[in-house]
Amino acid sequence: AQSVTQPDIHITVSEGASLELRCNYSYGATPYLFWYVQSPGQGLQLLLKYFSGDTLVQGIKGFEAEFKRSQSSFNLRKPSVHWSDAAEYFCAVGVYNQGGKLIFGQGTELSVKP
Amino acid sequence: DVKVTQSSRYLVKRTGEKVFLECVQDMDHENMFWYRQDPGLGLRLIYFSYDVKMKEKGDIPEGYSVSREKKERFSLILESASTNQTSMYLCASSLPGHGYTFGSGTRLTVV
Repeated sequence: AQSVTQPDIHITVSEGASLELRCNYSYGATPYLFWYVQSPGQGLQLLLKYFSGDTLVQGIKGFEAEFKRSQSSFNLRKPSVHWSDAAEYFCAVGVYNQGGKLIFGQGTELSVKP
Repeated sequence: DVKVTQSSRYLVKRTGEKVFLECVQDMDHENMFWYRQDPGLGLRLIYFSYDVKMKEKGDIPEGYSVSREKKERFSLILESASTNQTSMYLCASSLPGHGYTFGSGTRLTVV
């Protein structure tokens, strides 16, 4: 069965430090992969997506993610974190044959220290 | 930009009431989804629909039903609300093979 694991429930980084949020997936074919961000009390906003091609994808707000098939991973990175990046981050895998439904990880909450 | 609108941001209902959560999208998307979000559990799929009058159960459909009479509108129905249905409900729409666009969510409290 398809699944997504985000091993870190909560991460704290200092403002200006680099960030990496981990995501591992289980899927039988080449996956569609997504990262979403959710600010408190809000819906989810798409940060970036991978469908095929270049395994390093760029997203909004200075985020990037790298698809590594051998590791079944799709980690999210940002070189320098801003206080406004504090939010919850969700990784998701798309299921082709089920109306494009997404399976989400449990989320990683990011806190940013001044 | 695609807009997905959920009719209420906050809702308080009594146990046993029938509750309707409405979701409307404005970009002719075929697929629509209802999730609930709970701390520590992430997003869990309740129902989805890939066409008008079509619906598919997600992972946690018990206690819920849905209606999609028009392409742009996807309603979630709690037949008899219970306290364990207190949650954040998120609606989303998409084209096949593409990511979702989410609404802002409805925080439902059942008392």
